[in-house]
Amino acid sequence: DAKTTQPNSMESNEEEPVHLPCNHSTISGTDYIHWYRQLPSQGPEYVIHGLTSNVNNRMASLAIAEDRKSSTLILHRATLRDAAVYYCILRDVGEGYGGSQGNLIFGKGTKLSVKP
Amino acid sequence: DAGVTQSPTHLIKTRGQHVTLRCSPISGHKSVSWYQQVLGQGPQFIFQYYEKEERGRGNFPDRFSARQFPNYSSELNVNALLLGDSALYLCASSWGGAPYNEQFFGPGTRLTVL
Repeated sequence: DAKTTQPNSMESNEEEPVHLPCNHSTISGTDYIHWYRQLPSQGPEYVIHGLTSNVNNRMASLAIAEDRKSSTLILHRATLRDAAVYYCILRDVGEGYGGSQGNLIFGKGTKLSVKP
Repeated sequence: DAGVTQSPTHLIKTRGQHVTLRCSPISGHKSVSWYQQVLGQGPQFIFQYYEKEERGRGNFPDRFSARQFPNYSSELNVNALLLGDSALYLCASSWGGAPYNEQFFGPGTRLTVL
């Protein structure tokens, strides 16, 4: 499975933008880039996903490098509620079913702290 | 709308015992996946079920088994519990069985094995 590399932790100030990086140098053409986050004492929640183009939704933006070997999750104005572990995950949709293909393979993620 | 629900919330068992964890997906969702999250680690994929059939299996021993019922709810069973099975067990549902479908997670069941 293609792997991702994220910093262990990052800090941000409230109401400032946050850029969470993710490296995935072995990404394949059929890998989607997904981001999930896990707030304390909760299950993970979907944030955003993309394939090649930059993506925006109500929660965040996803900037994908032209060679797709890295991506950045952007929180435009961090709030205290955004303090969580953020996971960057590659999901292969080209291999069909079976084993763990296409399912979420979590790493350790980036623990984001937000200071008031 | 109700989200994914899991029961029980917490559970304490002793080594060698058996445990059954339950999950009810979001209404309309036909796929259920199970994950194990050990303290300090990211969740690890155990099983995926879609339309009552196993669609994916992670690297877990045969002591772990699961099934999905006609109403799309699911059970995760773990036999011969070991201390290392202590973890948060997460259930996630999605409307379809495709790998890229967004998954919605429940709050988890905290299992402690003594």
